[in-house]
Amino acid sequence: ETGVTQTPRHLVMGMTNKKSLKCEQHLGHNAMYWYKQSAKKPLELMFVYSLEERVENNSVPSRFSPECPNSSHLFLHLHTLQPEDSALYLCASSQDGSSGGFTGELFFGEGSRLTVL
Amino acid sequence: AQKVTQAQTEISVVEKEDVTLDCVYETRDTTYYLFWYKQPPSGELVFLIRRNSFDEQNEISGRYSWNFQKSTSSFNFTITASQVVDSAVYFCALNDYKLSFGAGTTVTVRA
Repeated sequence: ETGVTQTPRHLVMGMTNKKSLKCEQHLGHNAMYWYKQSAKKPLELMFVYSLEERVENNSVPSRFSPECPNSSHLFLHLHTLQPEDSALYLCASSQDGSSGGFTGELFFGEGSRLTVL
Repeated sequence: AQKVTQAQTEISVVEKEDVTLDCVYETRDTTYYLFWYKQPPSGELVFLIRRNSFDEQNEISGRYSWNFQKSTSSFNFTITASQVVDSAVYFCALNDYKLSFGAGTTVTVRA
């Protein structure tokens, strides 16, 4: 199994739908992250979970709701999204992660390509 | 203000040419870490290198080399004798108190 697995790889949803993105890491890391990647823009950090506790929330609209039930799993619940939310959503994990002080590298999944119609 | 600037949006080269990707960063901290990641068409970002602010030695790994210069706040990346498999988006990142990515440089290597 690859280190960080994201499902689904592709998702098309209407603005009134509710869907979830799933991320699973098999690396024994204690921190997980959601990033948003839009065309021609830097990666935007959305959420950070360290030891299953949310340590960072970068002013993300409430239509995005993260959940981290344990250190290996991370979800991003989506509801009433807008077309501008269409992007690649990347999950990552690291060891000894926190919003300040982590020095190691991130391990990324292949992303979930979201299209909002 | 952007903390990590990758001025080159796209670079196109012919196979076997060398290609250098520029990265300029901004931080007030004396302790920080710099990274390069590669994002192939499959989507996942792959870690290439980490460098801490106290280690200015240049590094070479196969066809990849990195030039870190604190005096100019730059951490440039060179691919020597490029190959088609090097085609990807390359991201530079800075971690002072928080990890910030540059906008990325798309490298296309033509056969």
